[in-house]
Amino acid sequence: AQSVAQPEDQVNVAEGNPLTVKCTYSVSGNPYLFWYVQYPNRGLQFLLKYITGDNLVKGSYGFEAEFNKSQTSFHLKKPSALVSDSALYFCAVRDSGNTPLVFGKGTRLSVIA
Amino acid sequence: GAVVSQHPSWVICKSGTSVKIECRSLDFQATTMFWYRQFPKQSLMLMATSNEGSKATYEQGVEKDKFLINHASLTLSTLTVTSAHPEDSSFYICSARVFDSAYGYTFGSGTRLTVV
Repeated sequence: AQSVAQPEDQVNVAEGNPLTVKCTYSVSGNPYLFWYVQYPNRGLQFLLKYITGDNLVKGSYGFEAEFNKSQTSFHLKKPSALVSDSALYFCAVRDSGNTPLVFGKGTRLSVIA
Repeated sequence: GAVVSQHPSWVICKSGTSVKIECRSLDFQATTMFWYRQFPKQSLMLMATSNEGSKATYEQGVEKDKFLINHASLTLSTLTVTSAHPEDSSFYICSARVFDSAYGYTFGSGTRLTVV
């Protein structure tokens, strides 16, 4: 069975500084990896995904993520954080097929002006 | 494209009553719908998977008689919380698989259920 670990409950970063939100995964086959952002009492907004191809994936709002197979990681990054990036971020994974996403516990990002 | 409309956004109900949550796919056919539950400051926990025209598959520990899922058409899936109790208070989110898309899945905006 697949699983996702987000080791940090909270990440604090100053506005303008780079940010990283960590994610590691476990799947039996090739991973399909996703990052989502959630604002209070809202659904999930898609940021980016990795299926195959380049290990560096670029997504919405300036976010990117790097797939590292040897470390089974898919960390989310942004070169320069904005206060408006403050939200709850979820990493998710699935294996092949029409299967549901399995989510990490989420990381709350706080960007301080 | 590929929008799922979820209603209501929030609902308050009395203990013992039932509440229905609807998810409609507006511009695509949702053959598969996933229902998640999210507790405060916690992750999304999959409750069940529903396929159009067949019975839902529930995850271990989810009471199928309490959380009734219906997926009678390709554009509508419903979750009914029967005989609701305060411990059922939570945030419920539906998600549909979107084939041939850049993002793979789309999510409803969620329903905040409060049982008093």
